[in-house]
Amino acid sequence: DTAVSQTPKYLVTQMGNDKSIKCEQNLGHDTMYWYKQDSKKFLKIMFSYNNKELIINETVPNRFSPKSPDKAHLNLHINSLELGDSAVYFCASSQGQGNNSPLHFGNGTRLTVT
Amino acid sequence: AQSVTQLGSHVSVSEGALVLLRCNYSSSVPPYLFWYVQYPNQGLQLLLKYTSAATLVKGINGFEAEFKKSETSFHLTKPSAHMSDAAEYFCAVLWGDMRFGAGTRLTVKP
Repeated sequence: DTAVSQTPKYLVTQMGNDKSIKCEQNLGHDTMYWYKQDSKKFLKIMFSYNNKELIINETVPNRFSPKSPDKAHLNLHINSLELGDSAVYFCASSQGQGNNSPLHFGNGTRLTVT
Repeated sequence: AQSVTQLGSHVSVSEGALVLLRCNYSSSVPPYLFWYVQYPNQGLQLLLKYTSAATLVKGINGFEAEFKKSETSFHLTKPSAHMSDAAEYFCAVLWGDMRFGAGTRLTVKP
């Protein structure tokens, strides 16, 4: 059983389109995250979502919006895609925040904007 | 704000040699520290974590890390490298959110 699963694994789209990435975790965790990994492997947190509280990294453009229908899902919707959005996006989950609970990552979604 | 710095973006060792990946943290209080590994086209997997219970932490796949407060370091080691250890390694500190270092790519030569 995959603990944190993301779909799709690859996403190729054109500039200006709107796309979504789905994430589901079956670990019973109460906190979920989205991270962006650029071409140099640098990981940057985009959002964390805990008990309906959304914490947004202020550097994330408002074209990016997370949506959580329930505790086990945190989807990422991106409007008006730009070339610079090309990256690998990772969903992760943890049990709580700030309590030394490690993150469990999905396998990533490689987004290519042309 | 707390952060981690990984020294060396690329480390190359021979199979069977010692692996040493360096990580320094900036913190005024003992932090929660982690090492993750990322294999190609995969997500990050937890190798080990430091939670102040012991300064020497053993992880999976024969890796271990030692917390040294005097040096603000949490270096990752493995006595004998295996070809399957080739991957990207990330040091991270938990400060509200998990904050990652820039990563170190480990190459293992036969």
